[in-house]
Order: sequence, then structure tokens, then C-alpha cells
Amino acid sequence: KAGVTQTPRYLIKTRGQQVTLSCSPISGHRSVSWYQQTPGQGLQFLFEYFSETQRNKGNFPGRFSGRQFSNSRSEMNVSTLELGDSALYLCASSLIIGQETQYFGPGTRLLVL
Amino acid sequence: AQSVTQLDSQVPVFEEAPVELRCNYSSSVSVYLFWYVQYPNQGLQLLLKYLSGSTLVKGINGFEAEFNKSQTSFHLRKPSVHISDTAEYFCAVKAALRGSNYKLTFGKGTLLTVNP
Repeated sequence: KAGVTQTPRYLIKTRGQQVTLSCSPISGHRSVSWYQQTPGQGLQFLFEYFSETQRNKGNFPGRFSGRQFSNSRSEMNVSTLELGDSALYLCASSLIIGQETQYFGPGTRLLVL
Repeated sequence: AQSVTQLDSQVPVFEEAPVELRCNYSSSVSVYLFWYVQYPNQGLQLLLKYLSGSTLVKGINGFEAEFNKSQTSFHLRKPSVHISDTAEYFCAVKAALRGSNYKLTFGKGTLLTVNP
């Protein structure tokens, strides 16, 4: 079975722009979660989607948003980028929401200049 | 809410030496516990997990961890490390409530460096 895939793997943007990241979960997995990883803050939970609905949200500003499609693929959007948004964005999938084990993708590394 | 403390940010060891990476957690409810490994420029790979049952859990690559409820710890161990074990290791906790929406909470990570 193919693992979690994320595209693109690397992105460079400038302040004020917006960006969209994509995540395809493991086949059959219906829950997708997003995390931000930075050297200073570590791994922080952004949000979780299941059945095309956001079910759980972390403490991030409204500039961070996401959605999930009927095939369980998910996208994450960040508007009005700030320098502090530079990070590795990780996507994780699990069979159902609340299931104990999440499987992670390779991440998208975003650099904001 | 849950929290995780990884007591060492960096652990240098020599090849073939044993290693222990320490993890303590706090939670008001029962939890599931995980160790993930992250190699440079890669995502997180699940090493092992404790859900219930035996407190000694064996994972991939020769790693094992022991759940100690009284000490709220979940330390990761390997009897003999290899150069290829050099990576960052993350301990994580999740509330053990079936169907809950509780998120996975991570520690800050421990960088294991194996020297020849």
C-alpha cells in the first residue's frame, strides 16, 4: 500500500502571498490531520478532517485553513504569509477519526522570504 | 489536556553502545503512547506504540519501550545502536478515549547522534 503523499515537497514564497499544500492519505484512510513543525515550537497540531468536515482545530490564526474532498484527499491553505510561517508541514492519516495511530507523509517544506 | 516532556534534547552515543531516550507525560485520563523517528529531510515514521496490555512494547529497528504508569514514563531503549539510528526521536501521547477528537501531542524531540 502506498503511504501518505504530500505535494509539493518544497516551496518558496514571499510575505503576503498565499499557498496551498496537498495531502493524499493512505488508501482507505478517511481522517487527515495537519501539523506544523518548526525548530522553536516543535510539532504543533493544526486541524483534523473527517468526511469532508473539520472535526478538531489547534491554536492557529484564521489565515490557516483546510478542506477535505470526497476521496479523502486534503488541502491546506495559508493566506497572507508571514516569515514565521516558514516550517515543515506534515500531513498524517488514519482509518477513522479518533483512531489511535496516525501515519505521516514526508512533509512540505515552506520557506517564506 | 496532555503534555509530553522529553528530558534530553540531544543524546550522543558511540556505535554499539546501549541508549535510552527518556519521555514523561502528564494527563488526567488514560493515554496511548507513541514513539516516532524522523530522519533528516523526511516525515515521521512510527517506531512503536503502547495502547494496552503488556507494558513492554517492541518496535521496529530493534527499539523497545516500557510504559510505567506510576512514573508516567515511556522511555525508549535499544541495546546496541548503529550509525543509521542517527535521527530525531519524538514521544507523543493521545487521550485513550475511543472516538474522541483529541489530538496527538508531541514532545520537543531528542536528537540521537551515533558516532563511530
